[in-house]
Amino acid sequence: GEDVEQSLFLSVREGDSSVINCTYTDSSSTYLYWYKQEPGAGLQLLTYIFSNMDMKQDQRLTVLLNKKDKHLSLRIADTQTGDSAIYFCAESRLTDSWGKLQFGAGTQVVVTP
Amino acid sequence: EAGVAQSPRYKIIEKRQSVAFWCNPISGHATLYWYQQILGQGPKLLIQFQNNGVVDDSQLPKDRFSAERLKGVDSTLKIQPAKLEDSAVYLCASSLDQTEQYFGPGTRLTVT
Repeated sequence: GEDVEQSLFLSVREGDSSVINCTYTDSSSTYLYWYKQEPGAGLQLLTYIFSNMDMKQDQRLTVLLNKKDKHLSLRIADTQTGDSAIYFCAESRLTDSWGKLQFGAGTQVVVTP
Repeated sequence: EAGVAQSPRYKIIEKRQSVAFWCNPISGHATLYWYQQILGQGPKLLIQFQNNGVVDDSQLPKDRFSAERLKGVDSTLKIQPAKLEDSAVYLCASSLDQTEQYFGPGTRLTVT
């Protein structure tokens, strides 16, 4: 089953910040990922964070990791209409084969003008 | 750099028929993955190859699904016979060092 949980939907106004949340249950997670999927397309790797870090910033994207609460978030600054997509959180676990990813069900982000 | 290529992009078959999907990973990527993504869900790993060897096929329904990567480059995934519940998008991904996975556009399979 999916041990990675995400809220299903987020609506945000253009220019505002978006925050997408994810919780996971496996404490052996090594890397945690954010992927973006646009309609009819594959998954695009946005960013990822190693489990011994608590924050990573990459241009408009900020990832926050709270290991104690097993909570991961992705903040998108100055959200644009092109950011409308489904965002997937994924984890790589020590107990799995190296590289295997466990995905959440995805959060659909809709950006309104 | 060319991305991961998959074909066909769309396929419609009747139940009990067979189907095959093809994937060409990014050049030099030793690890190749096949995922199944059912509508409204996240991708689920079916099989992982390291070069031409299988690393993980624990979630592959082996009674009907098979996959191979004979020369350690291209891969094919086959379903025989297909069931209605196999309707999904089949995603191929590849990785150089197993930290970053890059996905192809997927093959959307509809079983009627």
